[in-house]
Order: sequence, then structure tokens, then C-alpha cells
Amino acid sequence: DQQVKQNSPSLSVQEGRISILNCDYTNSMFDYFLWYKKYPAEGPTFLISISSIKDKNEDGRFTVFLNKSAKHLSLHIVPSQPGDSAVYFCAASVETSGSRLTFGEGTQLTVNP
Amino acid sequence: EPEVTQTPSHQVTQMGQEVILRCVPISNHLYFYWYRQILGQKVEFLVSFYNNEISEKSEIFDDQFSVERPDGSNFTLKIRSTKLEDSAMYFCASKQGVLGNTIYFGEGSWLTVV
Repeated sequence: DQQVKQNSPSLSVQEGRISILNCDYTNSMFDYFLWYKKYPAEGPTFLISISSIKDKNEDGRFTVFLNKSAKHLSLHIVPSQPGDSAVYFCAASVETSGSRLTFGEGTQLTVNP
Repeated sequence: EPEVTQTPSHQVTQMGQEVILRCVPISNHLYFYWYRQILGQKVEFLVSFYNNEISEKSEIFDDQFSVERPDGSNFTLKIRSTKLEDSAMYFCASKQGVLGNTIYFGEGSWLTVV
């Protein structure tokens, strides 16, 4: 199932700089997108979401951008902190269908002090 | 903050044995889910449950799997006869309503089949 792809398995940034995590999708029916953060042996923790009627949503240090024509979304973390180090998953759903989530493979973010 | 709780956190079972994983979703949530993540792989959808019945299931969710909401608070996943390939982290999740709501996940139950 390649409907949601995160092509970068890992990303390393310096503390205080911007982290940009990318996600691509193929299913044009997806209309709701989420980012989750996950630590080893824990469940995914919700970070931020965006509906397809928007192209940007911001919550504190986290901003999600959606480019529907390119079927691409990104998560920006500014400024990055060492505590942000985790695996980040993007997920997509068709909202009216009960919101089964389709996940990407995840990107391991490491923020170096 | 309300959370989804799961038990057990880790279970080791013999191949062929039945396993029940338990979950208490967030109390005012109406939609319930099970997902799993095999080590090194994606988080995969198994099943969604609404209004006391399965609303959607994936191809992974075969006859060996079943879900139940035996009372007003618990939501269980049963694997009737476990296989080695069922070893994974199983996540319960819940959502309040239909539109514009986030799915919240529990901490997971790590199942090891030997």
C-alpha cells in the first residue's frame, strides 16, 4: 500500500533551526491529513491536522502545509528542539468514510543540541 | 487529559493460542479502531467499530480476528489462533465524531508469538 509515502527515512537538524518533514500521497479522495509523533514502544501522539479546504494550519511551533495539486504535505517545526527527536508519521483519510487512516513509513527526526 | 488505555502492555503467547487485547477508549468517543505495527513496518489499519458493529475492516482482519465492545467502556481485539506473523504492536484508537475529529491512540500492546 503506497498511497502515502514519506521518502526520507531520517532527518537531522540543529537545535533552533527549522525541520521540514515531507509527505506525498496518491489517492485524490483523501481530504484530511494528520501528523503524528511517535517514540519507540509508545503509541502515535497527535500533533496537527489539516483539512483539504485549507492549505495551511499552524499550532505553535508546528505548521502543516498542504499542496493539493501536487498531492504533497509538509510539516515545519520552528524552532526545532532536542525534545522533538522522534519518528514523525503523516497519515491521510477520507473524512466521511469513518476516517480510516493510511500512514506513511515515518521519518526519524533527530535534533542535535 | 483523557487518554486511550490498553492492557496488557506486553504479552508473549504460544503459536495457536488465543489472545485478547483490551482497550478503554476515551469516554465520549464514538468511533473505535485497532491498528498494528509490525517491527520496521508501517502502522496498518485493522478495523473500525461504530454503533456496536464493524464499520470497516482491512484485508489483514480475517476470520482469526474479532472485536467486541462487551460493556460501555471496554473495546477488545481477539486473535483466535495466533500465528508467528501476528507478532506486532497493536494500537487501539478512538475518535469523537465523524467530521474534523482527530483519532487518538493508546500506548500499544506488544504481542510476541513464539
